[in-house]
Amino acid sequence: AQSVTQLDSQVPVFEEAPVELRCNYSSSVSVYLFWYVQYPNQGLQLLLKYLSGSTLVESINGFEAEFNKSQTSFHLRKPSVHISDTAEYFCAVRGLQGAQKLVFGQGTRLTINP
Amino acid sequence: EAGVAQSPRYKIIEKRQSVAFWCNPISGHATLYWYQQILGQGPKLLIQFQNNGVVDDSQLPKDRFSAERLKGVDSTLKIQPAKLEDSAVYLCASSLDLRGARDTQYFGPGTRLTVL
Repeated sequence: AQSVTQLDSQVPVFEEAPVELRCNYSSSVSVYLFWYVQYPNQGLQLLLKYLSGSTLVESINGFEAEFNKSQTSFHLRKPSVHISDTAEYFCAVRGLQGAQKLVFGQGTRLTINP
Repeated sequence: EAGVAQSPRYKIIEKRQSVAFWCNPISGHATLYWYQQILGQGPKLLIQFQNNGVVDDSQLPKDRFSAERLKGVDSTLKIQPAKLEDSAVYLCASSLDLRGARDTQYFGPGTRLTVL
């Protein structure tokens, strides 16, 4: 079984400041890792994912996350945030075997202040 | 490409009443998921279908919740009777092929249920 812990329920930052959203996971098997974003009144959208290969993965809108196996972490970062990044961010894991379900963290609400 | 469609978007009912939600997945997606997202929590999987067969319903409260996907396309999730603690957003997602864990799940906008 897997579990995901997002260490911050809310993160307020100023526009153009850097941000890091923390995610730690626990699993007895190897996993795939995901970050989803949920904008107000919308469904979840995949932001980025780690499947294999390079431990640093990037999204098209400037976010990146690094898989750290020894620390069982997959923290999300952006060097300079915009008002439009205001949303809730969910970290999720899924076991490598096909039938394994997606397990989500509690979510981190990112608020960007002008 | 059309996304995952859900209806209704909002529903308010009184406890002990029944309610049903509908989901139309992305065309060609074999796998369909229903999640429950309680305020302040991440989504929790309720049931997972592969075509019209159930793959995982271990977290579905079967005494009051039921779901079906009769023709392997659309799906309905029903709650009968509803309790106050069922107030949540119900999310439907679909993916191309369950057999690959690399498969990306695409989510619908959700149905926000309020039980009074």
